Amino acid sequence: QTVVTQEPSLTVSPGGTVTLTCSSSTGPITSGYYPNWFQQKPGQEPRPLIYDTSDKYSWTPSRFSGSLLGGKAALILSGVQPEDEAEYYCLLSYGGSWVFGGGTKLTVL
Amino acid sequence: QITLKESGPTLVKPTQTLTLTCTFSGFSLSSSGVGVGWIRQPPGKALEWLALIYWDDDKRYSPSLKSRFTITKDTSKNQVVLTMTNMDPVDTATYYCVHRAEAGMDVWGQGTTVTVSS
Repeated sequence: QTVVTQEPSLTVSPGGTVTLTCSSSTGPITSGYYPNWFQQKPGQEPRPLIYDTSDKYSWTPSRFSGSLLGGKAALILSGVQPEDEAEYYCLLSYGGSWVFGGGTKLTVL
Repeated sequence: QITLKESGPTLVKPTQTLTLTCTFSGFSLSSSGVGVGWIRQPPGKALEWLALIYWDDDKRYSPSLKSRFTITKDTSKNQVVLTMTNMDPVDTATYYCVHRAEAGMDVWGQGTTVTVSS
């Protein structure tokens, strides 16, 4: 069974930069896994942030960016704001089926 | 504007079959490249991708759950139906349907909560 792994939790100071990563039990992640990133706040449905590794939606704040780093998918937050405190999920494609990571709880402190 | 709304029973008994309907507007499931999928989230736990159906009736399922799930579409009614057999208390979750197009899974429904209990 394919497992997608994220950091369980991260803490960042307001104004700082943090990198969330997403790795696959099958090996290095490439663009062919079409990494997606979602933000979820308590009591809300997930909000899409990034698709196809690094593409943003019209509503994605410019401080969010996606990339591939060292065989992992990465979500980079630069100039973190208090409202960025949330759970973040990555989603990877495996030949048309998809698997979510376990999520990263980001605390802004 | 694309919208999706999930509907179905809020309570089912163990071993029963659950049928959830996603009713959408603002797009056509007969348009090339378009799909509608289902994702769930047990209380306090992570998201889990379940299934996806495309405009050409191509269907994709989570390998770990494939044997229990069936996804179908009714293009004329703008609906996608997910059927899950042999429900268990571990299937208690909020179930979301999502719009899938070139720009990823970009629009989500508000979700519907399903509890499995006798």
